[in-house]
Amino acid sequence: GQNIDQPTEMTATEGAIVQINCTYQTSGFNGLFWYQQHAGEAPTFLSYNVLDGLEEKGRFSSFLSRSKGYSYLLLKELQMKDSASYLCAATDSNYQLIWGAGTKLIIKP
Amino acid sequence: GAVVSQHPSWVICKSGTSVKIECRSLDFQATTMFWYRQFPKQSLMLMATSNEGSKATYEQGVEKDKFLINHASLTLSTLTVTSAHPEDSSFYICSARDGGGGPEEQYFGPGTRLTVT
Repeated sequence: GQNIDQPTEMTATEGAIVQINCTYQTSGFNGLFWYQQHAGEAPTFLSYNVLDGLEEKGRFSSFLSRSKGYSYLLLKELQMKDSASYLCAATDSNYQLIWGAGTKLIIKP
Repeated sequence: GAVVSQHPSWVICKSGTSVKIECRSLDFQATTMFWYRQFPKQSLMLMATSNEGSKATYEQGVEKDKFLINHASLTLSTLTVTSAHPEDSSFYICSARDGGGGPEEQYFGPGTRLTVT
């Protein structure tokens, strides 16, 4: 079956760094997405990885290892506004998104 | 960037009535649109995939006669919740894929919060 695993909740301190991990099992693979979702709002796109390696985009970076079925989202210089749920989604052979349950990130001052 | 709108942003209806939610791609042509449902503190659940001009493909467990999807043009898809019941209360989100882009070119609408009383 197809499956995405990510931690349910994480807590970090303002100004620190946090890494949110995601492992996936899909029928075929056409890339992995990370989305940010604030409570009561729709997801917003953060990153898309299809090749192995690290993609850096400002304070956010995303890493992919296809051989390990593993990705992480790295958030640096955490700000209070980064408190949100972070959704990992893998694309299968039909380009359908398989969603993780999301990681709720709590930032403390 | 590409923009997807949804209307209404929230709606309250009585049990047994029908509600229509519109999803529009404002500045691109969406060959494929997706409808999701999200219950509180849960992840997105794909309900159906619709391609312009053809019937929607529903996910297992989603009643196609209850959740009517129409994708009549490259910029508009509608989801009609028929004979709504309180258990249908949820956050409904559409997303649209840019026909000219890659798989990463999928954009989400702002969502519609449906409350059935």
